[in-house]
Amino acid sequence: EVQLVESGGGLVQPGGSLRLSCAASGFTFSDYWMHWVRQAPGKGLVWVSRINNDGSTTTYADSVKGRLTISRDNAKNTLYLQMSSLRAEDTAVYYCVREHMTPGLDSSYYFDSWGQGTLVTVSS
Amino acid sequence: DIQMTQSPSSLSASVGDRVTITCRASQDISKYLNWYQQRPGKAPKLLIYDASNLEVGVPSRFSGRRSGTDFTFTISSLQPEDIATYYCQQYDDLPYTFGQGTKLEIK
Repeated sequence: EVQLVESGGGLVQPGGSLRLSCAASGFTFSDYWMHWVRQAPGKGLVWVSRINNDGSTTTYADSVKGRLTISRDNAKNTLYLQMSSLRAEDTAVYYCVREHMTPGLDSSYYFDSWGQGTLVTVSS
Repeated sequence: DIQMTQSPSSLSASVGDRVTITCRASQDISKYLNWYQQRPGKAPKLLIYDASNLEVGVPSRFSGRRSGTDFTFTISSLQPEDIATYYCQQYDDLPYTFGQGTKLEIK
């Protein structure tokens, strides 16, 4: 069974830092691109960042570029999100998400597994 | 960024009703659209990928279709367990973007 378990959320002051972790199990972690998606309280889903399967390529939403850093340790089957210079608007539940890509010329891409999420609250 | 305009934002229907949600993309995204269900307090769950393909294990009362840049998601016969918020998501281009969500309630 695929499992993604996030940890590391909590209360942090504006300007502070936090590191989120996502422990993956039940699949070959190094085969998959991984993402972070966030959801502010009572709001919709917002894509944050993605990393390719070997960690060599990363992409970010403009709103977090330069402040959040995605990384992974395939030996530990763990995805990370290093968060710095945090702002009130970063307050959200952060989901670790696996992206499935179907093989073939016209591949399909979709988020087929989600963690339970970890809440980050930025407040003084 | 590609904007996904989802409507309605909320919907109230009776058990057994046919329910339809619409998502419009701000530009051509071909078939590259997925639909997710998020029950209260839970993580989202994939229902449909590539506009009309049902994910394995998802009940057949859920369906999706594409017409140009307009995408529709339909529940053919609403069940009590379908109470949730539904989101569309495009993956034609980064950043991946979601619709604003449709909160579905039972009358």
